[in-house]
Amino acid sequence: KAGVTQTPRYLIKTRGQQVTLSCSPISGHRSVSWYQQTPGQGLQFLFEYFSETQRNKGNFPGRFSGRQFSNSRSEMNVSTLELGDSALYLCASSLEWNTEAFFGQGTRLTVV
Amino acid sequence: KQEVTQIPAALSVPEGENLVLNCSFTDSAIYNLQWFRQDPGKGLTSLLLIQSSQREQTSGRLNASLDKSSGRSTLYIAASQPGDSATYLCAVDYGGATNKLIFGTGTLLAVQP
Repeated sequence: KAGVTQTPRYLIKTRGQQVTLSCSPISGHRSVSWYQQTPGQGLQFLFEYFSETQRNKGNFPGRFSGRQFSNSRSEMNVSTLELGDSALYLCASSLEWNTEAFFGQGTRLTVV
Repeated sequence: KQEVTQIPAALSVPEGENLVLNCSFTDSAIYNLQWFRQDPGKGLTSLLLIQSSQREQTSGRLNASLDKSSGRSTLYIAASQPGDSATYLCAVDYGGATNKLIFGTGTLLAVQP
């Protein structure tokens, strides 16, 4: 059974640009959550999607957005990139509410 | 405010030693708690999920316990090996129609050969 797949693994972008990250959950899982990990703030919840609907959102500016498709694949978008957006972005897949979360390998975003 | 803390922040032990990692949470009304392992620059690997109604869960050399009343969970690693070296994270799920996890600060474990 394939795990959670995140693409790309690494990205380098310039300030002011925008970026789109992709996450394919485990087959059959309907919930996808996104997290940002930085050395200073640790792991912080961005948002989650369940059956194509955003169910919860963390305390991040509107530059961070996402969506989920009918096949449960999810994308997150960050517009007008800032240096502080440099981080490891992790996606988690869950079968239903409050079940075990499985994480992808992450996308390392560097903003220069 | 719901906060999760892990102590110690870093731990170095010789190979073969048994060790305990601690996780504390401020709000005891948890739904479940999950322990993860993270290798440098990699994603998170799920180790154990313990439901609020359970007292402990075991997987191989790992044993996680949960005490909701005191707001604590421990991860016990038996007979540690150099391959156990990683950062260990606990995460709390407070239930409801969400899969949002609140993560602890992590414990960086180094097992010396």
